[in-house]
Amino acid sequence: QLQLQESGPGLVKPSETLSLDCTVSGYSISNSIYYWGWIRQPPGKGLEWIGSINYSGNIYNNPSLESRVTISVDTTKNHFSLKMTSVTAADTAVYYCARQSDYYDSSGYRHRHFDYWGQGTLVIVSS
Amino acid sequence: EIVMTQSPATLSVSPGERATLSCRASQSVSSNLAWYQQKPGQAPRLLMYGASTRGTGIPARFSGSGSGTEFTLTISSLQSEDFAVYYCQHYNNWPWTFGQGTKVEIK
Repeated sequence: QLQLQESGPGLVKPSETLSLDCTVSGYSISNSIYYWGWIRQPPGKGLEWIGSINYSGNIYNNPSLESRVTISVDTTKNHFSLKMTSVTAADTAVYYCARQSDYYDSSGYRHRHFDYWGQGTLVIVSS
Repeated sequence: EIVMTQSPATLSVSPGERATLSCRASQSVSSNLAWYQQKPGQAPRLLMYGASTRGTGIPARFSGSGSGTEFTLTISSLQSEDFAVYYCQHYNNWPWTFGQGTKVEIK
């Protein structure tokens, strides 16, 4: 079955770049009806969408983070990646990757919910 | 950016009772709304999309309603495994945003 697994350093120094990968298993990332997204959650707080990408590289980014975020996809490895530059303590969070639907139902409604999530990885920004 | 506001912040409910959670959007999102459940130390789980369609494997005691700016998630008879934090999220237009969450706790 579909599984998503985040990987990357758990500790990043302030002003440096956070880099995470999400490996997808049990499903091809090249399926055109899905995007693949990153969401984060600071400790004890709510969820913040970071950005989403599809197999062909179409990207949606959160404007509040866009200047620091790069999302990329590698269909040959069936994974996608997040890079966030110039991190500060405010970027300390659990980072989730997730599959995001992108299709129209029979009534013409477009559905773009996150239906499968990775377990998340905690990234601490500290010197 | 559309702001999603959930209420109440905390809901204390006894097992077997009904729980009603609210989510309000700062402008219309049509029916482009999802609900997620998150338990401590776990990733969010999709409960509902299209405001009222249950996700795969979600029990029938969960129901969603609403459109436009006002939405409700109802848990008809709370089970022990339902005590968790619930988030709404709109996907009407980019950027997609989440509410701040409602914690459902044991009364």
